[in-house]
Amino acid sequence: NAGVTQTPKFRVLKTGQSMTLLCAQDMNHEYMYWYRQDPGMGLRLIHYSVGEGTTAKGEVPDGYNVSRLKKQNFLLGLESAAPSQTSVYFCASTDPGQGYEQYFGPGTRLTVT
Amino acid sequence: AQTVTQSQPEMSVQEAETVTLSCTYDTSESDYYLFWYKQPPSRQMILVIRQEAYKQQNATENRFSVNFQKAAKSFSLKISDSQLGDAAMYFCAYRSAGGSNYKLTFGKGTLLTVNP
Repeated sequence: NAGVTQTPKFRVLKTGQSMTLLCAQDMNHEYMYWYRQDPGMGLRLIHYSVGEGTTAKGEVPDGYNVSRLKKQNFLLGLESAAPSQTSVYFCASTDPGQGYEQYFGPGTRLTVT
Repeated sequence: AQTVTQSQPEMSVQEAETVTLSCTYDTSESDYYLFWYKQPPSRQMILVIRQEAYKQQNATENRFSVNFQKAAKSFSLKISDSQLGDAAMYFCAYRSAGGSNYKLTFGKGTLLTVNP
């Protein structure tokens, strides 16, 4: 049982490049989330999904897109990376039937130069 | 919208001593959940303790306990007998009990240093 995994763990992009971050969970959770963590800012919600085929905006959605084509996967896309998107990105999942905890992945450190 | 405030960016404690991390929140809701997450240098987010707002009794998990003051909207974390492994960033988080998305709102974090 791997829990929540994220691919890749590290990435360096040039301004204007695109990339996709993959989050996968093997706990059959309905809800999945993407957060970004910046120094002194805590974790802020980017987008989330309450089920396969659904997505919704969080607190800081601009510059990102997401897709939830399969229940176990939640993809975060950057179409044209900007230096302001340099951050650590966390994926999390939870399920109403599992109680209250959100389970987090190990994070992806992204640097945009 | 709910907000979570952690007023102490950094704290330090001597090994074996007790330290309290502060958290206040703002909400108009009466039913909600509060959490403390620990993030060690490995970056992994680990749930330390949770509190349901409708429960008057303060939650306790081994050396970790909370002081939940609902009227004051305060939710502090006490770590007793501090250990070197407690050194980490600690985040306070809020989740509404209503709604259908289970979103968490985080504070900005408190970096705890444990001195030997």
